[in-house]
Amino acid sequence: GQNIDQPTEMTATEGAIVQINCTYQTSGFNGLFWYQQHAGEAPTFLSYNVLDGLEEKGRFSSFLSRSKGYSYLLLKELQMKDSASYLCAALDSNYQLIWGAGTKLIIKP
Amino acid sequence: IAGITQAPTSQILAAGRRMTLRCTQDMRHNAMYWYRQDLGLGLRLIHYSNTAGTTGKGEVPDGYSVSRANTDDFPLTLASAVPSQTSVYFCASSESGLAGTGELFFGEGSRLTVL
Repeated sequence: GQNIDQPTEMTATEGAIVQINCTYQTSGFNGLFWYQQHAGEAPTFLSYNVLDGLEEKGRFSSFLSRSKGYSYLLLKELQMKDSASYLCAALDSNYQLIWGAGTKLIIKP
Repeated sequence: IAGITQAPTSQILAAGRRMTLRCTQDMRHNAMYWYRQDLGLGLRLIHYSNTAGTTGKGEVPDGYSVSRANTDDFPLTLASAVPSQTSVYFCASSESGLAGTGELFFGEGSRLTVL
């Protein structure tokens, strides 16, 4: 079956760096998405990776290894507003998105 | 402000009742989707539409129906609500289908409780 695994919850300190991992098993692969979702709000797009390597976008970076079925989201210089859930989603061979349950990130002062 | 509007934002419904969740977008996106989000689970696709006039079934379509009479509107209907349909429902759109970057834009969600 198709599956996305990511940690349920992580805690980090304001100003620090945190890495949220995601492993995926899908029927075919057409890319990996990360979305941010604040409590009670809609998910918003953060990044899309289809080739191996690191994509940097300001304080956020996303990495993909297709051979390992692995991605991570790296958040630098953490701010309190980064407290949210981070959703990993893989696009399978039928261009259907398979979603992880999300990682709740708690930022402490 | 361009985006997706969902209504109602919250609703409590008796089991067996019919309910329609409304979704309207003003971005002229071709593709639209309905997801449900439950605690501890990833977003699950209920139905989708790649273009006006066409619809398709997602991962969990049973008990739900959709229509796409025009580009902007994509209502989701629960014909006879059951407690297991208690969830947060998100409508989303993308410029085309998910081929390519396929960034999704989400509405603010509709929280539905079926008693």
